[in-house]
Amino acid sequence: DVKVTQSSRYLVKRTGEKVFLECVQDMDHENMFWYRQDPGLGLRLIYFSYDVKMKEKGDIPEGYSVSREKKERFSLILESASTNQTSMYLCALSRAPTGLNEQFFGPGTRLTVL
Amino acid sequence: DQQVKQNSPSLSVQEGRISILNCDYTNSMFDYFLWYKKYPAEGPTFLISISSIKDKNEDGRFTVFLNKSAKHLSLHIVPSQPGDSAVYFCAASAGYSGGGADGLTFGKGTHLIIQP
Repeated sequence: DVKVTQSSRYLVKRTGEKVFLECVQDMDHENMFWYRQDPGLGLRLIYFSYDVKMKEKGDIPEGYSVSREKKERFSLILESASTNQTSMYLCALSRAPTGLNEQFFGPGTRLTVL
Repeated sequence: DQQVKQNSPSLSVQEGRISILNCDYTNSMFDYFLWYKKYPAEGPTFLISISSIKDKNEDGRFTVFLNKSAKHLSLHIVPSQPGDSAVYFCAASAGYSGGGADGLTFGKGTHLIIQP
């Protein structure tokens, strides 16, 4: 079974704080992704990475950055959290090449920014 | 501009009947399509996929149909069961033609409710 672990299920932070969301996999998959899910908007891609130290912007990267120092770990960073970043954050991974394989999702982190 | 559209936010179906969830796309580069199921407070789980070289893919109670000329796909669940109540997301990728590690483009989801 593919295992995708996200560091926290629920997180509450204050406006202006720096927030780290961690995603860890045990499947040696090359590609890792960060999405956010909001009611009525579906899932939107923030950033993805197809190799260590590689990163690509998704559809909504503003206000976020990422880090992938090791293959198994992909971190999403909110440099200065804002209330409009309150959302469900989902990490996903897939084997390369992406288009031929489904993505596996973690359980999600529900982030609330006050 | 939304590239993957699920125009029904919710759908209510009686247990035992067929559930049909629809999805339309606009990007002609999409050539791989997936359906995910999501329960509240959980991550989406992969359900079934289809590549553009096929027009139908079946897995147990789940069948996905692809009409490339209409840029339309549908997910059929038969018979519908109470455990099928969830939000269903349609997703698309340009993987075959794009060849890169692109993320999926998701629709907004359809909340399927199975009535006993």
